[in-house]
Formats: sequence, C-alpha cells, structure tokens
Amino acid sequence: DTAVSQTPKYLVTQMGNDKSIKCEQNLGHDTMYWYKQDSKKFLKIMFSYNNKELIINETVPNRFSPKSPDKAHLNLHINSLELGDSAVYFCASSPSGDTNYGYTFGSGTRLTVV
Amino acid sequence: QKEVEQDPGPLSVPEGAIVSLNCTYSNSAFQYFMWYRQYSRKGPELLMYTYSSGNKEDGRFTAQVDKSSKYISLFIRDSQPSDSATYLCAMTHTNAGKSTFGDGTTLTVKP
Repeated sequence: DTAVSQTPKYLVTQMGNDKSIKCEQNLGHDTMYWYKQDSKKFLKIMFSYNNKELIINETVPNRFSPKSPDKAHLNLHINSLELGDSAVYFCASSPSGDTNYGYTFGSGTRLTVV
Repeated sequence: QKEVEQDPGPLSVPEGAIVSLNCTYSNSAFQYFMWYRQYSRKGPELLMYTYSSGNKEDGRFTAQVDKSSKYISLFIRDSQPSDSATYLCAMTHTNAGKSTFGDGTTLTVKP
C-alpha cells in the first residue's frame, strides 16, 4: 500500500496548456509539500500545507496553484505551461510540519513541456 | 552561494569499497541532518537522520556531523551494486518548516 502516491507519473504537454497533478498520503501526516527537482537533481520546495492551511509559498510563479481539500490530499494546478516548467515534481509529507526527521516522498511526476 | 554544497560526483567505485559522501553548509542554525537515497526515476527515500554533532550507525551506513566545521558525511561500508543511486544530503532547523537539500552525488558501484 503506497504511502505517498502521485498521479500521473508522466505528463507530456504543449506550451500554454493547463495541467494538474494529484497527491494522496495514507500515513496520517498533517503536512504535505510540493518540491521541484530540476535536471541537475536539485530539490527546491514550492509549497507546504499543514492540515489544509498554506504554510510555505516560496517564490513560485502564480501560474502554480496548490489546493489541499483535506490533510491527506494535495494537488498542484499549473496554468499556461512554459518550457522551463519541465521537471520532476515530488509530493512529500511529514508529521505535523516537523521536518526534523525527514519526509516521505512520492515517486514523482515527470512533466515535459514541448 | 548555496546554503548547502554537496560533492558533485559522479562517483564510481568497485564492489566492496568504502564510500564517503560529503556536504558542507553555511547556515549555523541547521541542527538536523538527513541523507536520502534516490534510485533512478524514483522518489528520494530517507536513509538516516542525525541531530547535532556526532556519529550514527545503521548497518553498513554511518552518518557523521561536525557542526564546528559545518560538514557532514555519509560512509557506506562494503558497498554493493544495489547502493548505486543518487545520494542527497538535507538539513533543517527547528521551526524551519522545510528542509534544504544538496544537489546530490551520483554513486555507481561496479560488480
């Protein structure tokens, strides 16, 4: 039973399109995150939600809009996709916003914008 | 300058070798230090975490933190081909709400 699951795994789309990525965790964690990993493997936080409340909103273009309908789900909607949005997007979770002992990551969504 | 710098690699070693993976950091507030392993086309998986300075051992893996030098290491003893992956260091401090990652070091262990 997958702890943090993301869909879809792969997404190929044209510039200008709008797409969504969904994430669900069954660990009972209160906090969920979106991270972006570029081609050089660098992981950068985008957003975090604690029990449906937005906690961290890094300097991300406002074309990216997260939504957390409940503490087990976190979705990411991207408008007007650009070539530079191509990356792997990871969802992660941790207990109560406490990142001191690490995250549990999903397997990622590989987004390619053509 | 990045807050966390990781030895870039890639690193290629023969099976059975001892591997040393290293990160330095600039933010003296970091107190919690983690190592993740990421296989190709998979998500990062937490290997170990340590608090403050000292060593922590888990099987063939040893994490070492030297806060005075702002330097952390992960040692892998008797490396196996199954250890071939990208290793990411990460660190955080109380109430940070997020971890800061290094760029990763890709390790290949050859049979």
